[in-house]
Amino acid sequence: GQQVMQIPQYQHVQEGEDFTTYCNSSTTLSNIQWYKQRPGGHPVFLIQLVKSGEVKKQKRLTFQFGEAKKNSSLHITATQTTDVGTYFCASNNAGNMLTFGGGTRLMVKP
Amino acid sequence: DTEVTQTPKHLVMGMTNKKSLKCEQHMGHRAMYWYKQKAKKPPELMFVYSYEKLSINESVPSRFSPECPNSSLLNLHLHALQPEDSALYLCASSQIAVKQETQYFGPGTRLLVL
Repeated sequence: GQQVMQIPQYQHVQEGEDFTTYCNSSTTLSNIQWYKQRPGGHPVFLIQLVKSGEVKKQKRLTFQFGEAKKNSSLHITATQTTDVGTYFCASNNAGNMLTFGGGTRLMVKP
Repeated sequence: DTEVTQTPKHLVMGMTNKKSLKCEQHMGHRAMYWYKQKAKKPPELMFVYSYEKLSINESVPSRFSPECPNSSLLNLHLHALQPEDSALYLCASSQIAVKQETQYFGPGTRLLVL
């Protein structure tokens, strides 16, 4: 099955700094979804990207899907302590099977 | 209402016990999923139910037995588990089991097997 690699595994930032996590696949992806999981919580759907080169924004979050549909990124501008958590990218197979990247754990120092 | 509920929140069981995890959604979704998540790892798919029928079993050991009594409920029956089965068990649902459908996750059951 398809594999999605995600980097970095961990990121410590000072509050107010920017943050970016990257996902890469060796195969073309039909879509990419992004989830956030707070410490002790469960994954919460953030957004889905489907089109080549697509860019979507949600307030301070910017999501991109690569032109070749093999990579994606999530960028957070001016992080806040409420951004703390693990961010997962994921892609769907037939049958809506979600394959997750390894996740990037974001820690924000106030 | 975009809520998926799971009970219990926490469960401690011995290796000889039989227990069940329950999941419920009232969004009219016809696809439901079980995932297993170990600490600091991503969720891993276990089972997919589509229209109350098991459509995908990701080579899960038989000590895990899923059941979908109706379109709103999903159970996971546990028997003779091993300590390495300790994990967060997440239930999710989506409108249907096709690509690109958003999955809504429940809060999970934290399972500890002693």
